[in-house]
Amino acid sequence: NAGVTQTPKFRVLKTGQSMTLLCAQDMNHEYMYWYRQDPGMGLRLIHYSVGEGTTAKGEVPDGYNVSRLKKQNFLLGLESAAPSQTSVYFCASRLAEVTGELFFGEGSRLTVL
Amino acid sequence: GENVEQHPSTLSVQEGDSAVIKCTYSDSASNYFPWYKQELGKGPQLIIDIRSNVGEKKDQRIAVTLNKTAKHFSLHITETQPEDSAVYFCAASTYRGTASKLTFGTGTRLQVTL
Repeated sequence: NAGVTQTPKFRVLKTGQSMTLLCAQDMNHEYMYWYRQDPGMGLRLIHYSVGEGTTAKGEVPDGYNVSRLKKQNFLLGLESAAPSQTSVYFCASRLAEVTGELFFGEGSRLTVL
Repeated sequence: GENVEQHPSTLSVQEGDSAVIKCTYSDSASNYFPWYKQELGKGPQLIIDIRSNVGEKKDQRIAVTLNKTAKHFSLHITETQPEDSAVYFCAASTYRGTASKLTFGTGTRLQVTL
């Protein structure tokens, strides 16, 4: 099994451009998450989904939108990229339980010039 | 909301020595405390976790201890090896409504030198 796959792995954008990061998981997990990782700040939750067709805001949602049209996919969109969104983005998923292992993708490095 | 503090931010030990990473949390309702290891260029991976009804858990060379009264938990790695070099994240989870929110610490970069 592939687990959690993120595309693209690297992307450079200019300020104001838009883009979408795709996360796909093949483990039939209900819960999916998008985190950003910045030096000295750990992993911060952007948005999450508890099931197909549902999304919710995390700790740092401003400037991002998400969609979960299919259970296996969770998309993160940047409508108008800003330099402050330069980061490494991680998608994660887990089974529909209160506690349990998060399975992470390998990350997508985004640079906004 | 929950706040998780992690120390130290960097840790260098010699191969064979022990390493200890400490975390404190703020929300007394937190009941699940996982530790993730992130190798260079990879996503974090769960290495051990502990629930609030347990004080200590071991898995070979790694162990985690939890002090609910003081609201802190620690990761202990014994007989360190070069492959233990990575960034380690602690996290705390509080169940609220339909989903548990996992709050991560800021990470500890562990370097094991020969």
